[in-house]
Parts: sequence; C-alpha cells; structure tokens
Amino acid sequence: DTAVSQTPKYLVTQMGNDKSIKCEQNLGHDTMYWYKQDSKKFLKIMFSYNNKELIINETVPNRFSPKSPDKAHLNLHINSLELGDSAVYFCASSQDPGREDYGYTFGSGTRLTVV
Amino acid sequence: SQKIEQNSEALNIQEGKTATLTCNYTNYSPAYLQWYRQDPGRGPVFLLLIRENEKEKRKERLKVTFDTTLKQSLFHITASQPADSATYLCAPASGGSYIPTFGRGTSLIVHP
Repeated sequence: DTAVSQTPKYLVTQMGNDKSIKCEQNLGHDTMYWYKQDSKKFLKIMFSYNNKELIINETVPNRFSPKSPDKAHLNLHINSLELGDSAVYFCASSQDPGREDYGYTFGSGTRLTVV
Repeated sequence: SQKIEQNSEALNIQEGKTATLTCNYTNYSPAYLQWYRQDPGRGPVFLLLIRENEKEKRKERLKVTFDTTLKQSLFHITASQPADSATYLCAPASGGSYIPTFGRGTSLIVHP
C-alpha cells in the first residue's frame, strides 16, 4: 500500500495553463504539506494544512493554492503557469510533532515542466 | 537569515567504513532536527529525529548527534554498504510551527 500517493508523476504543460496535482495519504495523519524541490535540489515548504489551520509560505505566489476536500487529500492548483514553476513538487504528511518518531512521509514527487 | 549548511561535495567512502555527514545551522534555535535519505527520482525518507535536549540518538547502524552550542548535527552510518549510497538531508525545525527546513543534502557514495 502506498502511504502518500501523488498524481501525475510527470506533467508537461505550456505557459499560461492551469493545472492540478493530486495527493492522497492513507496514514491517518492530521497534517499535509506541499514542498517544491528546485533544480538546485533545495526542498522548500509551500503549504502546511490540517483541519484547523493553513500555513502559507509567504514567498509562494498566489497563483498556487491548496485545496483539501478531506483530511486524506491535499491537492495543489496552479494558475497561469510560468517557466520558473518547473520543478519537482512533493506532497507529504505527518502526525503529531510531539511523537518520538515524528517524521514526514513524502510522496514520490511530480515533475512539472513548463514549456 | 536562517541558514543550513551541508557539504555540497559528495562523500566517497569504502564499504565497511563509517560515514560521517555534517549539518551546520546559523541564526536558528531548532527544537529538534530530522535526517532524511533521498534516492534519485524519489521522495525523502525519514530516518531519525533528535530533540534539542538530546545529545545522541541511535537506530541500528545510524547515529545522530546534536550540539546546540556548536549549532551542528553529525550523522554517522557505521559499517557502510553500497546500498547506503544516497543523498542525506538535514532538517532542523523551530518550536513554533515545527515545520522543518531542509538543507541541500550531501551525496554519499559507498564503494564496494
């Protein structure tokens, strides 16, 4: 069973288009995240979301928006795609930070290429 | 601004030796620090967490130390194997949001 699954794995699209990436977790975790890994391999937090609070990294353009239909899903919508949006996007989930084994479970990533 | 530094050069070691990876941070007082492994084309995989009041944590062949005075964490893999070859990411987190910030990672290559 895949713990955190995201689709599609690859996404090639033209500038100006709107696209979505889907993420689902079957771990029962309360919090989900979106990270962006750029060409220099830095992993940067974009959003953190649980049923109480959405935390947005202030550097993320408002063209990016998370949508959570329920606790197990956190989708990423991107409007008016730009060349600089090309990167690998990772979904992740976690349980209570107070746990001894607190760690993030990541999906396998979506490689977005904007042409 | 907060900065996390991991050696950008790959670490090459012989099978059976101990690999030691370094993570330094500045302008930061993390409540805890995580280490992850990332293989090419895959998402990071959580390995260990160490909290600010802990000096050392072990899990099988892995050992992590945390020196809040030096602002440094060391990650050790004993009896290294070629299967340990991957990029290892350091991720400290402050006590407010508890969301870790990832370093760029260090590539480890274990030669048979």
